[in-house]
Amino acid sequence: DGGITQSPKYLFRKEGQNVTLSCEQNLNHDAMYWYRQDPGQGLRLIYYSQIVNDFQKGDIAEGYSVSREKKESFPLTVTSAQKNPTAFYLCASTLSQGAYGYTFGSGTRLTVV
Amino acid sequence: AQKVTQAQTEISVVEKEDVTLDCVYETRDTTYYLFWYKQPPSGELVFLIRRNSFDEQNEISGRYSWNFQKSTSSFNFTITASQVVDSAVYFCALSEAGGTGFQKLVFGTGTRLLVSP
Repeated sequence: DGGITQSPKYLFRKEGQNVTLSCEQNLNHDAMYWYRQDPGQGLRLIYYSQIVNDFQKGDIAEGYSVSREKKESFPLTVTSAQKNPTAFYLCASTLSQGAYGYTFGSGTRLTVV
Repeated sequence: AQKVTQAQTEISVVEKEDVTLDCVYETRDTTYYLFWYKQPPSGELVFLIRRNSFDEQNEISGRYSWNFQKSTSSFNFTITASQVVDSAVYFCALSEAGGTGFQKLVFGTGTRLLVSP
């Protein structure tokens, strides 16, 4: 079945460490996105990519980095520069043209210990 | 700037009650899209509906219905005869129809719906 796979589901990070969240899709979607969700808040856009080897900063990109070497994959690295990384991270994808609904992954919950 | 407001933080109802989730949006665009997503406890966001700004027809899908009113910039969501399985966080979202094809979704803060037996 087509969809988006995020791994791991839960991730614990020590302060000062970088961690990478995986996002893979087999929907043949062109565009991929990373959102962050905090309790009581909506989703905020971290980074997005419309095509391979190209990506753009979203509203809260500081402390994060991404790559898009393959159409299917859009990993997110949470660096030590991110001051408050504990959150729920959601990856999404969509066809590049037209306002189709996003397809979301099941999320990764990151906790700093 | 675009903005989506979901003023109801949490709603509690008893099974079989009808419930309406409010969504008010702000945008300067004349062409835009509105969405509703459901987030069950498992965490993933499930797409419920998309509506473009030129289509103000109300829509019904089973127990779900949506009321889009451009005059009041509202896109409200009603669940009829609620069930325990409807318990979730519901997000309203707005997307501009950018010329580049990039669709940034702006989300509201969500409404948590609790349906008790």
